[in-house]
Amino acid sequence: GQQVMQIPQYQHVQEGEDFTTYCNSSTTLSNIQWYKQRPGGHPVFLIQLVKSGEVKKQKRLTFQFGEAKKNSSLHITATQTTDVGTYFCAGPSSGTYKYIFGTGTRLKVLA
Amino acid sequence: SQTIHQWPATLVQPVGSPLSLECTVEGTSNPNLYWYRQAAGRGLQLLFYSVGIGQISSEVPQNLSASRPQDRQFILSSKKLLLSDSGFYLCAWSASGVWGYGYTFGSGTRLTVV
Repeated sequence: GQQVMQIPQYQHVQEGEDFTTYCNSSTTLSNIQWYKQRPGGHPVFLIQLVKSGEVKKQKRLTFQFGEAKKNSSLHITATQTTDVGTYFCAGPSSGTYKYIFGTGTRLKVLA
Repeated sequence: SQTIHQWPATLVQPVGSPLSLECTVEGTSNPNLYWYRQAAGRGLQLLFYSVGIGQISSEVPQNLSASRPQDRQFILSSKKLLLSDSGFYLCAWSASGVWGYGYTFGSGTRLTVV
């Protein structure tokens, strides 16, 4: 079945360092979404990418959708302690309205 | 604006007891509704989703069931809980027939089966 994998599983960075998480799908995606889950909280929708090669920015966060629409990345510049949490990508299961979530990358920022 | 309510926030239940978790959405009609489970430190496992009243798709065979008795109400149930049912249960909704807005999750229920 369709799988969405993320690497790394965990990442510890010093505050001010950059961070990147990568998302890879076993199938071509029509779109990809990113979510952030703070410790003890629920996932919150960040963004959706639709076009091949699309790049979107939200302040210090840069999201990219691969040319083949099978991978995506989230890059955070100059991490802050507020960036702590788990970042999930999610891709739609073909022909349905359900999304398959990636395995997640847990980010810890050391002050 | 749309809101999603999920309760209770925490629940401790003995093995073999029944379960009923409720989720309601306000401010929208005919939403797609989802139940996810998250084990501690793990990813999100889709349990059930519904695109309309009485329409339930089950993703994982287990002793849980879901029902959608009203347009904006989604219920997760079990007749007899197992230890393995412990986890963080999340309800979510998305707009029907519309892409681009993502899922909105409820605040979740932390279930501990003892």
